[in-house]
This record gives sequence, C-alpha cells and structure tokens, in this order.
Amino acid sequence: DSGVTQTPKHLITATGQRVTLRCSPRSGDLSVYWYQQSLDQGLQFLIQYYNGEERAKGNILERFSAQQFPDLHSELNLSSLELGDSALYFCASSASGTALYNEQFFGPGTRLTVL
Amino acid sequence: AQKITQTQPGMFVQEKEAVTLDCTYDTSDQSYGLFWYKQPSSGEMIFLIYQGSYDEQNATEGRYSLNFQKARKSANLVISASQLGDSAMYFCAMRERQNNDMRFGAGTRLTVKP
Repeated sequence: DSGVTQTPKHLITATGQRVTLRCSPRSGDLSVYWYQQSLDQGLQFLIQYYNGEERAKGNILERFSAQQFPDLHSELNLSSLELGDSALYFCASSASGTALYNEQFFGPGTRLTVL
Repeated sequence: AQKITQTQPGMFVQEKEAVTLDCTYDTSDQSYGLFWYKQPSSGEMIFLIYQGSYDEQNATEGRYSLNFQKARKSANLVISASQLGDSAMYFCAMRERQNNDMRFGAGTRLTVKP
C-alpha cells in the first residue's frame, strides 16, 4: 500500500459526460501528479500540482482540468468525454516539487470506461 | 520526439537467472533522473530504482541494479536471481531538470518461467 488513495476505483460513463476523479496524497507529500495509461498512448504525464499550485503540465487535453485543494487532495475533472478517454488514471504523490530524486508513490488508479 | 525508448516489448527469463531490460533516453539537459517502475498484473506502479545523471556509481537496490552508461544514454535495469513474482511490466522513466515532468517508455513485459 503506497499510502495514496484514489476514488472511485472504477467508473463507467457515456460519451459527452463529465466525471471527477479524486486523489489523496500520502501524508506529508505536497506534490500530486496525474497520469493517463491507455493501450495506444502508454503512460502519459498529465499535470503536477505542488502545494496547491500548478507546477508542470504535460499532455493534458483542454477538456481536462485539475486542482489541488488546501488539504492537498486533488481532483481531475474530465469533461465532454470521448471513447478514447477510456484509460487507467493514476495519481502519484511525492514530498518535493522539483527535486530530481523525487520518488513518486502511485495510487491504485481509477479505471474509466466511456461507452 | 520519443524521449524514452524500450526496445523489448516482451522478455522471457528462467527462474533464478539474471535478466537485463533495455532503456535508452534522449535529452539535452545535463541534469536529469532516471527511474524504473514495475507494474504487476494488479495494476499498481511500484518504484524500483533511481539513477541521477551526476551519480558516478551505478544504483543498486537489492536484486535490482541499474547499468548506467551516460555517454550512450542508456539506463538498463538488471534483475538478478529472477523470481516468479518478477513477472510484470517494467517501465523506464526520465525526469529532466528543465521540464519537471516525467516521461515513460512503452514498457517491457517480463515473464519469468519456472
């Protein structure tokens, strides 16, 4: 158990809908990262927050947004969902925001299925 | 451009033998970190080992070691004395100082045979 929690574990929804994925980092970790893992795109970094502020941005679509709250939990919002958004969404946390040696602890993931 | 390349989609190894999983990377940053993660069939991502670009010694963590060849831009993972529980997907990843994100390779599926 990494100490990172993600809810829900599974999510099934329809095209055009909006969903919110939630992540609670390990106790004491200030950074939260979001990743998308799909069969065709592999594991892709989406976005990082550090202590409430956006720190780095990867291949995140405009239909997706994220935020980190004062209690450090984070939410990833996916809107106007398409079939291609079906994937496993991971959240990871780390103590630091920019240190190179920045071991990231991954949550169990949320499997999103868009029908 | 692909920054992390794992050329072996699948690998097989006999139990108790050693195996090397290849990883090459591309960066113009002088300061970067290289990571290996394991993803079993259950889906979670497990951190295995880290190598910094300025580290002179190859990193080791138990049965895992990283064969770091900076000039060749390779960071191969060596697993010694393979166990059946090592069967999983293995991902190489890089974090650059200038970008601050983490780029992953496509992964290598390792199967350990009894």
